[in-house]
Amino acid sequence: DIQMTQSPSSLPASLGDRVTITCRASQDIGNYLRWFQQKPGKSPRLMIYGATNLAAGVPSRFSGSRSGSDYSLTINSLESEDMAIYYCLQHNEYPYTFGAGTKLELK
Amino acid sequence: EVKLVESGGGLVQPGRSLKLSCAASGFSFNDYWMGWVRQAPGKGLEWIGEINQDSSTINYTPSLKDKFTISRDNAQNTLYLQMSKLGSEDTAIYYCAMGAAGYWGQGVMVTVSS
Repeated sequence: DIQMTQSPSSLPASLGDRVTITCRASQDIGNYLRWFQQKPGKSPRLMIYGATNLAAGVPSRFSGSRSGSDYSLTINSLESEDMAIYYCLQHNEYPYTFGAGTKLELK
Repeated sequence: EVKLVESGGGLVQPGRSLKLSCAASGFSFNDYWMGWVRQAPGKGLEWIGEINQDSSTINYTPSLKDKFTISRDNAQNTLYLQMSKLGSEDTAIYYCAMGAAGYWGQGVMVTVSS
């Protein structure tokens, strides 16, 4: 199975900060990488697909990038509504695998 | 508007079976792969598996392949998850998802306990 190593597991940040979350894939997954946001008691929401494409309705302060086997989600100018847990998902090869999650919280 | 509504969850005894349903609307159900993801209390997301449009291809996470079965009824726009030999480790919220998790249902809780 492809392992998705996500870091950090917890990320304290202040409003207005720029933050970056990273997933490293254990094998080549091309750009078959998605990012999800999950708030307490809610279903996950697709934020980024194809590693770099913003999903419909997602604010432009979110962006995705790739450098080799490292995939990053960046949030510019953090807002209070961004506090959530973020997960990456590789869907290049079965079984699909999620990262362990990053909890973004106010410092 | 895409809508996915899971049902069939609840409390079940260890060793028993349970079948979840996911009613889909707002899109052409028979044009999309559909799948299931679960989340144990306080834990991360675990991909269970997915099924293609005509049910000819079904892929599972290997550790769940022998106890979970995914199926669909395109005439009823409904996705199913048949779960057998349930154990406490299967206690989780089960989400129905469309197209490599592009859209998610609200989830249904399954609690395995005596």
